[in-house]
Amino acid sequence: DVKVTQSSRYLVKRTGEKVFLECVQDMDHENMFWYRQDPGLGLRLIYFSYDVKMKEKGDIPEGYSVSREKKERFSLILESASTNQTSMYLCASSTTGEDQPQHFGDGTRLSIL
Amino acid sequence: AQSVTQLDSQVPVFEEAPVELRCNYSSSVSVYLFWYVQYPNQGLQLLLKYLSGSTLVESINGFEAEFNKSQTSFHLRKPSVHISDTAEYFCAVSPKTGANNLFFGTGTRLTVIP
Repeated sequence: DVKVTQSSRYLVKRTGEKVFLECVQDMDHENMFWYRQDPGLGLRLIYFSYDVKMKEKGDIPEGYSVSREKKERFSLILESASTNQTSMYLCASSTTGEDQPQHFGDGTRLSIL
Repeated sequence: AQSVTQLDSQVPVFEEAPVELRCNYSSSVSVYLFWYVQYPNQGLQLLLKYLSGSTLVESINGFEAEFNKSQTSFHLRKPSVHISDTAEYFCAVSPKTGANNLFFGTGTRLTVIP
């Protein structure tokens, strides 16, 4: 069974801090994704990656960056956290092919004070 | 461009009653269709998917969804719900463009009342 692990379930940070959210998958998937989930807005794609050292902007990349140095790990970085980045963050992975489902981690609930 | 509309943000239903969660989509290309479920404090899990063939697809826990191309819909149904079905349900489409991006609806929160 595919396992996508997000390093923290809950995280509290202060405005202006640099924040790292880590995600690891154990199924050798090529594709990895970062979403944020907000009430009434569903899931919005922040960044995705189809291969190591490769990244693409999603729908809402502003204020975020990503890193994929190894195939199994995809990190989301908040360069200077702001209160409007308080949200649930979900990581997902999938193998190649538009008919392949994405597999999700349990999420990180991030609060920026 | 793609968009997914889930018409109901919240659906309360009594235990053992039937339920339908509605999903409509628009896309300039053909799509694959998915329903995901999110139980409290968890990530999303794949519930069922339509790729091709029979337009009626079923999940292992009694849900079914029917793809209607003319109405661009993929409604989710269950004839008799259980308390354990209380969750948020997301409809999503994946355009047949070679990429693997999903476009999600805003979700429907199903609450089963004892």
